[in-house]
Amino acid sequence: SAVISQKPSRDICQRGTSLTIQCQVDSQVTMMFWYRQQPGQSLTLIATANQGSEATYESGFVIDKFPISRPNLTFSTLTVSNMSPEDSSIYLCSYNEVGETQYFGPGTRLLVL
Amino acid sequence: GENVEQHPSTLSVQEGDSAVIKCTYSDSASNYFPWYKQELGKRPQLIIDIRSNVGEKKDQRIAVTLNKTAKHFSLHITETQPEDSAVYFCAATTNTGNQFYFGTGTSLTVIP
Repeated sequence: SAVISQKPSRDICQRGTSLTIQCQVDSQVTMMFWYRQQPGQSLTLIATANQGSEATYESGFVIDKFPISRPNLTFSTLTVSNMSPEDSSIYLCSYNEVGETQYFGPGTRLLVL
Repeated sequence: GENVEQHPSTLSVQEGDSAVIKCTYSDSASNYFPWYKQELGKRPQLIIDIRSNVGEKKDQRIAVTLNKTAKHFSLHITETQPEDSAVYFCAATTNTGNQFYFGTGTSLTVIP
């Protein structure tokens, strides 16, 4: 499997600010995803990051709040905009090839004060 | 869309005993079922998976069974060890849909 990394690994932010999380894979992959995981909870899919087109968002998530970029087949960013304490969570990126398993990045722990 | 349910939410077993976690799914088109283990503060990692053309798969102390008719699949861990303590997630997906639908997770504690 390809190596997948994220940065930052953690951050503490003030409410009203924005944070951009980067996800890098060391080889080209077809599908990349962004998840949110609240403490003690399951993985909630935010969106599918589509290369060369707009991301596909799941119900409850909107582009204005979580803009996503996918400029090429190895890289994606997720921005958490106008943050509030409710955005405190772990954000995970992942990738997979069609029909294959999904691999996760190490996650970004976000605390909003 | 697909709905994956997972039970139990918490499970405590004595070291050396077996642990079983069960998941059900709703979409008969789902044909790939991975299991992930997430240790505290770590990323989810694949531990075993099964495709719809087989009924059982085993890897040392871990096995997964699939009943396509009943739409359920289970994770079996034998001879549990303290390092098996973690949260386990099941998932279901199709070849074409590509989106993974995750269960709600099972927190397994193995008591030494």
